[in-house]
Amino acid sequence: QVQLVQSGAEMKKPGATVKVSCKASGYTFTSYYITWVRHVPGQGLEWMGWISGYDGKTKYEQSLQGRVIMTTDTPTSTAYMELRNLRSDDTAVYYCARRAPSSGGWYFDFWGRGTLVTVSS
Amino acid sequence: EIVMTQSPATLSVSPGERVTLSCRASQTISFNLAWYQQKPGQGPRLLIYDASTRATGIPDRFSGSGSGTEFTLTINSLQSEDFAVYFCQHFNDWPLTFGAGTKVEIK
Repeated sequence: QVQLVQSGAEMKKPGATVKVSCKASGYTFTSYYITWVRHVPGQGLEWMGWISGYDGKTKYEQSLQGRVIMTTDTPTSTAYMELRNLRSDDTAVYYCARRAPSSGGWYFDFWGRGTLVTVSS
Repeated sequence: EIVMTQSPATLSVSPGERVTLSCRASQTISFNLAWYQQKPGQGPRLLIYDASTRATGIPDRFSGSGSGTEFTLTINSLQSEDFAVYFCQHFNDWPLTFGAGTKVEIK
């Protein structure tokens, strides 16, 4: 069955970098896109961007441009999300999710359980 | 960006009741809407896409309707496992945005 297993919780200081992993199994990694979404406490879900499992092409939310980098490692079917120059308002639960097979819609059929990233001095 | 507004923020209901959740888009999004359910400690679960199509394995007590700017998720005969937070998400253009969620709690 499809699974997305994320790395464990992280605690970082302001200005640091965090890298969250998302290991996929149960499907052909290169046939799907992975998206990253975060849930800031007390707020809604925020889409961060996506990466193609096929060719590594990316699209990022404009407000995160220059701070976020999404990558994949095809041999291990793992996607990564790196966020640089962390601020306190980056404290959130970060999710990876698989884009559903469809004729073009960007919605997501399988999600990881989330990785809590806490940014505090 | 398109702002998605969900109402109400919280809904207190008894098992067996029918519930209706609303989601409004700040501009027209055609049928480009998905609904998710989320329980504590879990990632969201896709319920509905294209405004009214149930995802694989979703019980038929869940139904979605609407188009343009007004959308509804209906849950018939609420079961104990349905108490959760529900989010809507548009995919009409970039950036994708989500509503703030509706929490369905036990009355």
